[in-house]
Amino acid sequence: RKEVEQDPGPFNVPEGATVAFNCTYSNSASQSFFWYRQDCRKEPKLLMSVYSSGNEDGRFTAQLNRASQYISLLIRDSKLSDSATYLCVVSGAGGTSYGKLTFGQGTILTVHP
Amino acid sequence: GAGVSQSPSNKVTEKGKDVELRCDPISGHTALYWYRQSLGQGLEFLIYFQGNSAPDKSGLPSDRFSAERTGGSVSTLTIQRTQQEDSAVYLCASSATSGGASDTQYFGPGTRLTVL
Repeated sequence: RKEVEQDPGPFNVPEGATVAFNCTYSNSASQSFFWYRQDCRKEPKLLMSVYSSGNEDGRFTAQLNRASQYISLLIRDSKLSDSATYLCVVSGAGGTSYGKLTFGQGTILTVHP
Repeated sequence: GAGVSQSPSNKVTEKGKDVELRCDPISGHTALYWYRQSLGQGLEFLIYFQGNSAPDKSGLPSDRFSAERTGGSVSTLTIQRTQQEDSAVYLCASSATSGGASDTQYFGPGTRLTVL
């Protein structure tokens, strides 16, 4: 079983749609949680950190449920420019490198006109 | 300011050859990570540096892989006797603080390695 699991999609949605991505993680010792965005043949870039209280950044809302070890990302009013792969990422499970990132396989989103 | 840079951007090599991949982190960043991204495997951690030390090498897939960091800055990832399964994009990331769980990591553009 992978440490971080995501629905790989692809998700194909029209502009203006609301789309939700889910992710589960297996290591209950994980401390920090993120969504990264990766455009085709580019490096991953941090989209947002995820907190237990939930957090919002414009059209993006992230939620964390530590009891269920579940992370979500909601994108409202999708734009063409949101087309990318969204990576669910956790860190801080201990050992000698708390900053080591563990990535999900990524969810592919395509927003069409 | 300048971000993380990596060189070369692309490398094609023959099976059995050695390759060196370079990472220049953001100036002043003490933590440096190497990851690789291959088809079917996603993004995988390879090694973590804090300064010039590598407290976590747990992700290196075999003893053909090694890395060093000098002067708390540039890092080199070396793959000896390359195999076709080493073909991947090798990504370097750095962060400003001590490698904590909540630190933001900034990624370089990667080196695309193809082993023929």
